[in-house]
Amino acid sequence: QVQLQESGPGLVKPSETLSLTCTVSGGSISSYYWSWIRQPAGKGLEWIGRFYTSESTNYNPSLKSRVTMSVDTSKNEFSLKLSSVTAADTAVYYCARAVVGTADFDYWGQGTLVTVSS
Amino acid sequence: EIVLTQSPGTLSLSPGERATLSCRTSESVSSSYLDWYQQKPGQAPRLLIYGASSRATGIPDRFSGSGSGTDFTLTISRLEPEDFAVYFCQQYDSSPQTFGQGTKLELK
Repeated sequence: QVQLQESGPGLVKPSETLSLTCTVSGGSISSYYWSWIRQPAGKGLEWIGRFYTSESTNYNPSLKSRVTMSVDTSKNEFSLKLSSVTAADTAVYYCARAVVGTADFDYWGQGTLVTVSS
Repeated sequence: EIVLTQSPGTLSLSPGERATLSCRTSESVSSSYLDWYQQKPGQAPRLLIYGASSRATGIPDRFSGSGSGTDFTLTISRLEPEDFAVYFCQQYDSSPQTFGQGTKLELK
């Protein structure tokens, strides 16, 4: 059974960089799209971007200038870095998997709350 | 980007009733790229329907999806107590992929 688990600081200061890791167990990280999606409290879902290979990433234009994603296949992990954060970046952050060529997110992490505050 | 508008915002029904949820897109979307998700409090979303009408693995057949172009529908034929949740539609025909704001299905 595939499982995804997000990890990282729950509190980040304004203007700093948010860093999260998603650890994948029960399956290979290869040959899938890996996305980050966030959800502010009581609101809807916002797709941040996805990683497939270093030559195949796709970021939401609204966040593109601040986002970096990468994968460590040796650890079965993929990561998100979001720079210059503000209070508007406070949200639950999810990692999710999709079959290549689709965005049908069939597996999700449980989510991790990141609060941006001084 | 394509905007998805879901209606109603809240739907109050009783177990055993039929639920009809709507998702309207601001531009035409291929039905191959329209999904529905269910989210319960404190949980991640769960894929229900992909390709507008195909049920994901393990999803009961009381859930069905339909639609094309700019109008899509999720139908729950006979509500079970565990179906009361928030439902989101999602498109990925055009980047960035976007989600609707959600319909809350609540117990009447």
